Amino acid sequence: EVQLVESGGGLVQPGGSLRLSCAASGFTFATYDMNWVRQAPGKGLEWVSYIDRSGSYIYYADSVKGRFTISRDNAKNSLYLEMNSLRAEDTAFYYCATWDYWGQGTLVTVSS
Amino acid sequence: DVVMTQSPLALPVTLGQPASISCRSSQSLVYSDGKTYLSWFQQRPGQSPRRLISEVSNRDSGVPDRFSGSGSGTDFTLKISRVEAEDVGVYYCMQGAHWPLTFGPGTKVDIK
Repeated sequence: EVQLVESGGGLVQPGGSLRLSCAASGFTFATYDMNWVRQAPGKGLEWVSYIDRSGSYIYYADSVKGRFTISRDNAKNSLYLEMNSLRAEDTAFYYCATWDYWGQGTLVTVSS
Repeated sequence: DVVMTQSPLALPVTLGQPASISCRSSQSLVYSDGKTYLSWFQQRPGQSPRRLISEVSNRDSGVPDRFSGSGSGTDFTLKISRVEAEDVGVYYCMQGAHWPLTFGPGTKVDIK
């Protein structure tokens, strides 16, 4: 069974940092490009970042460029999102996705 | 950035009747490889998004054949031939031809 399981979300103060993880199983993770997508509560979907299967090509949304870093470890079947200088507007559910497969999301709340 | 617009934003439908959602992009979604990168996603209440259609008209595995996608260039349509209760949710189009990737605002489908 294909699974993507995000973790690492929580409550953080403005200006703080969090590291999200996404554990993949049930498919050959190393052959899939990966994405992070977020959704503020009650709002639409926003693409955040992309990393290709080898980790060679990376793209970010302008809203997170310079603050977020995507990475992956194919040996551990894991995707990561390092988030720094967090702002209230970063509050959202964060999903990892291959487009074919999506995780259940992890909630990041940025508030004092 | 490519702006994705959808209409209508809310679509009350009668069970068993057809439904249609329009998606327009501010630029052509034809990539240099000749493919058109327009996908449709469904998000049922309380669930993660799920891709229904990729590259305009390719239905994902397990997607009922009552869902179909069409269009070209900048103008695309998702059709549901006969709406069922399980189709309630929000539908998003997404372009994958230009960085940053962008989603439409979503169309909320519910039953009259």
